[in-house]
Amino acid sequence: KAGVTQTPRYLIKTRGQQVTLSCSPISGHRSVSWYQQTPGQGLQFLFEYFSETQRNKGNFPGRFSGRQFSNSRSEMNVSTLELGDSALYLCASSETGVGYTFGSGTRLTVV
Amino acid sequence: AQSVAQPEDQVNVAEGNPLTVKCTYSVSGNPYLFWYVQYPNRGLQFLLKYITGDNLVKGSYGFEAEFNKSQTSFHLKKPSALVSDSALYFCAVRDTGSSYKLIFGSGTRLLVRP
Repeated sequence: KAGVTQTPRYLIKTRGQQVTLSCSPISGHRSVSWYQQTPGQGLQFLFEYFSETQRNKGNFPGRFSGRQFSNSRSEMNVSTLELGDSALYLCASSETGVGYTFGSGTRLTVV
Repeated sequence: AQSVAQPEDQVNVAEGNPLTVKCTYSVSGNPYLFWYVQYPNRGLQFLLKYITGDNLVKGSYGFEAEFNKSQTSFHLKKPSALVSDSALYFCAVRDTGSSYKLIFGSGTRLLVRP
């Protein structure tokens, strides 16, 4: 099976811009979760999608949003970027919630 | 609220010696526990998990972990450390409820010196 694919791997954006990150889960996995990793805050949960429905959302401002398509691919969007949004964004796919496979992440730098 | 604690920011060990990376958890109900490893600029690699059954769980790369319900701990161990084990290690617990949210500890950096 192919692993979890996140694109792009690296991204540099300017404050105030918006960005869209993509995650393709393992075939057959209907759950996709997103996490933000920063040196100061560690790994924080952003949201989880299951069969196109958002099932859970972390404590992030409304500038962070996501969606999942019928083929389980997911995108997350961050609008009005701030310097503090610089982070490694990881997605994880799961079939049954007893195993998770993570992608390599997207490194976002906001300047 | 569910939580995971990794009390050590860094663990230093000599190559060939045993290593332990500590993790304690707080959940309601039966926990689903996981260990992941992260190398620089990479995603998280799965090491092992405890869902149910034997308290001693064996995982990838010679790692194992012991689930201790009375002490609410899930420490990661390896009998003989390698320099290549140097990385960032995360303990995680699956949140209760229907979603598959993982709650992570703060991470422990393992440094294995030659």
